[in-house]
Amino acid sequence: RKEVEQDPGPFNVPEGATVAFNCTYSNSASQSFFWYRQDCRKEPKLLMSVYSSGNEDGRFTAQLNRASQYISLLIRDSKLSDSATYLCVVIRVGGALTFGSGTRLQVQP
Amino acid sequence: NAGVTQTPKFRVLKTGQSMTLLCAQDMNHEYMYWYRQDPGMGLRLIHYSVGEGTTAKGEVPDGYNVSRLKKQNFLLGLESAAPSQTSVYFCASSYRGRVGTEAFFGQGTRLTVV
Repeated sequence: RKEVEQDPGPFNVPEGATVAFNCTYSNSASQSFFWYRQDCRKEPKLLMSVYSSGNEDGRFTAQLNRASQYISLLIRDSKLSDSATYLCVVIRVGGALTFGSGTRLQVQP
Repeated sequence: NAGVTQTPKFRVLKTGQSMTLLCAQDMNHEYMYWYRQDPGMGLRLIHYSVGEGTTAKGEVPDGYNVSRLKKQNFLLGLESAAPSQTSVYFCASSYRGRVGTEAFFGQGTRLTVV
């Protein structure tokens, strides 16, 4: 079983839709959680960190459920520019970043 | 603002050839990483380093070696390239791997082994 698992998608949604991605992790020692965004043939870039209390950044909301070992990303009012692959990332203190395989989002006009 | 720089950006190797990929960061980060990305596989960790002079194996270390002689540089070596090593390689760095710390990535090296 992979340490970090995501639904690969693709998620095809119309502009303005709300879409949610989930990610599960298997190592209970994981301490830090992130969502990264990767555009086609580009390097990953940090979208947002995920905090225990949940956090919001504009149209994006991230949640963490430690008991069930999953994190989620909610995108409201989807834009064409949101089309990308979203990578779930976890890290143990003193350890390396571990990536999920990514969820591809395609927002359609 | 350089951030993380990888060289080269593209390379074609013949099976059995060797090469070194260079990663350089100017952010004084302790942690550095090498990942490979293949279609549908996400990023898989090859090796990483938590400080100058230290390295550790990741998920897929076989066929690769690394060195971190200087804090700002992390080298990835392929001693005898194989077609299975055709991939996109990303280097990243972060500050001490602490909780909430962002990792910054280089632009990637596209390697083809024929």
